[in-house]
Amino acid sequence: EAGVVQSPRYKIIEKKQPVAFWCNPISGHNTLYWYLQNLGQGPELLIRYENEEAVDDSQLPKDRFSAERLKGVDSTLKIQPAELGDSAVYLCASSSEGRNEQFFGPGTRLTVL
Amino acid sequence: GENVEQHPSTLSVQEGDSAVIKCTYSDSASNYFPWYKQELGKGPQLIIDIRSNVGEKKDQRIAVTLNKTAKHFSLHITETQPEDSAVYFCAAAYSSASKIIFGSGTRLSIRP
Repeated sequence: EAGVVQSPRYKIIEKKQPVAFWCNPISGHNTLYWYLQNLGQGPELLIRYENEEAVDDSQLPKDRFSAERLKGVDSTLKIQPAELGDSAVYLCASSSEGRNEQFFGPGTRLTVL
Repeated sequence: GENVEQHPSTLSVQEGDSAVIKCTYSDSASNYFPWYKQELGKGPQLIIDIRSNVGEKKDQRIAVTLNKTAKHFSLHITETQPEDSAVYFCAAAYSSASKIIFGSGTRLSIRP
């Protein structure tokens, strides 16, 4: 069984530029999560989707961050414009309905210069 | 909201010895406690979890204990091996909300 796929794995951009991350969850997993992981810290939830509906986006900085999960499968997380403080690893995870266990992708390491 | 504290932040043990990582949580409603292992350049991987109706769970060399009264839970790794070197995260969640709150991580190093 394929795991959670994320791309790109690494991204370097200048501040004020836009950037987008893509995630393909494990087949059949209806719940998808985007996390932010700063260096030396644990992941922090940005947004959670149940199918195509965002059911928890309370921690998503909506002035510059947006996300979508069209058709309830793949998801894209966008930052526009990026700031220096956005440099971090962005992790995507998925879980199946009614299950707590979350499976993480390898993450996208973003560096904003 | 839930807050999870994890100690120590770094831990170095001799190969073959045991390692213990401890966590506390604040929300008594939390009832699901997973542990994740994160290797360099990879996402966290679930290694074991425990629910609040169980006090202890073991899987080969790893075990978790939960004290609901004190709101403490711990990870025990016995007979440590070089491949156990990684960052370990504890976490807590209220199952129906599916929102997992992570601790700050413990960097475990196994000395040969």
